[in-house]
Formats: sequence, C-alpha cells, structure tokens
Amino acid sequence: GAGVSQTPSNKVTEKGKYVELRCDPISGHTALYWYRQSLGQGPEFLIYFQGTGAADDSGLPNDRFFAVRPEGSVSTLKIQRTERGDSAMYLCASSSSSAETQYFGPGTRLLVL
Amino acid sequence: RKEVEQDPGPFNVPEGATVAFNCTYSNSASQSFFWYRQDCRKEPKLLMSVYSSGNEDGRFTAQLNRASQYISLLIRDSKLSDSATYLCVVNTDKLIFGTGTRLQVFP
Repeated sequence: GAGVSQTPSNKVTEKGKYVELRCDPISGHTALYWYRQSLGQGPEFLIYFQGTGAADDSGLPNDRFFAVRPEGSVSTLKIQRTERGDSAMYLCASSSSSAETQYFGPGTRLLVL
Repeated sequence: RKEVEQDPGPFNVPEGATVAFNCTYSNSASQSFFWYRQDCRKEPKLLMSVYSSGNEDGRFTAQLNRASQYISLLIRDSKLSDSATYLCVVNTDKLIFGTGTRLQVFP
C-alpha cells in the first residue's frame, strides 16, 4: 500500500517568506509526527498529533512554527518569517498508534536563501 | 550531554568484515529502543527493535543493557549494500535519535 508522502520534495524560499509543508500519512494511521533533520544530525522531534489534536508540541523551536491536522489525516507544517537557520530536511512519520512503529516519508528539503 | 550519543564514524570496513556500533542514552525511563538505517538523502527506515534479551535478524544482532544504558548493533559479513548511516533511537514519550554512525563498506 501507499506509504507516507510529503510535498513538495524540495522548497527554496527567501528569508522572511512563509512556507507550508504537507504530509499525507499512511491511511488509517492516527498518530503523525514531524521531525527536522540538519546535515550531520539525527532527526529532531518537532510535534506529535494523535488524531486532530497536537498531543505534544514541545519540539517546535519557536512561535514561527505551527502545524495543523484538521481532519485527522493530512498535516501541514507552517513556518512564518523563515530564517536561513530553518534550512533542513523536514520529515513526517505516521504510526497506527503512539506505541507502534513509525514510518517515515521521503521528507521535504527546505532551503532558505 | 546529548540524550542519545553515538560515535559518528565513519567506519570504513571491507566486505565480509564484522562491525559493531555502540550507543548510550541518558534517560533511564526510556521505554523502547531501535536501530534505524538512513541512506544518503533518504528517510530513516526501521532496521530492528532492540530487546534486553538481545535479538538477531540475519546478519544483524542488537543488544540492550538497561543497567549501563547502552545499546549495540553488530553486523556480520558486511555487504556493500550495508553502507549507510545507522541511527540509534530511544523512545521515552517520543523518539529521540542519535546523530548516527556512518558505515562505508568497500570491495
């Protein structure tokens, strides 16, 4: 079956602009996670959704970052007033429940010029 | 101190070699443990879970020592296709990833 998909695969933007990154989880997966991975580092947790609600957003670095999952399926990560330091790979993962294996999407590479 | 620490490598080994990766974690309340594999410019993929009793999957053996807060991965008879970054992952109430250990297997 279809895995986790993320769009766009690459995004180049200018400092100060607004970007939206989309994640389509595996069908039926209630848990959805966002991570950020910088070069040479492991993925860092950003936010976790159980259904429509953000169960844990402790990893969001500041209030420029926001994520939604209005219908409990697709999620959008929104970054306002982008900074060069936001450049990274943004990974989405989903699982059938919070205790189960997480499956990752291919990621969105964000470059802020 | 990082929550999950790994030697970043790289480990350069010939085909057929045995190679071992180690990882330590700081949170004694961690509930579950994993090794993920990540190929260059790709997403992480689960390689195997790690249990206290130790577990094996073909050429791969994982071990967990809760008392020492230490996790290991042993790869026997390395193949060229094993070249990748291996991420040690600890689950507290969220997945915490190490920085990864890069393995390069050469002919």
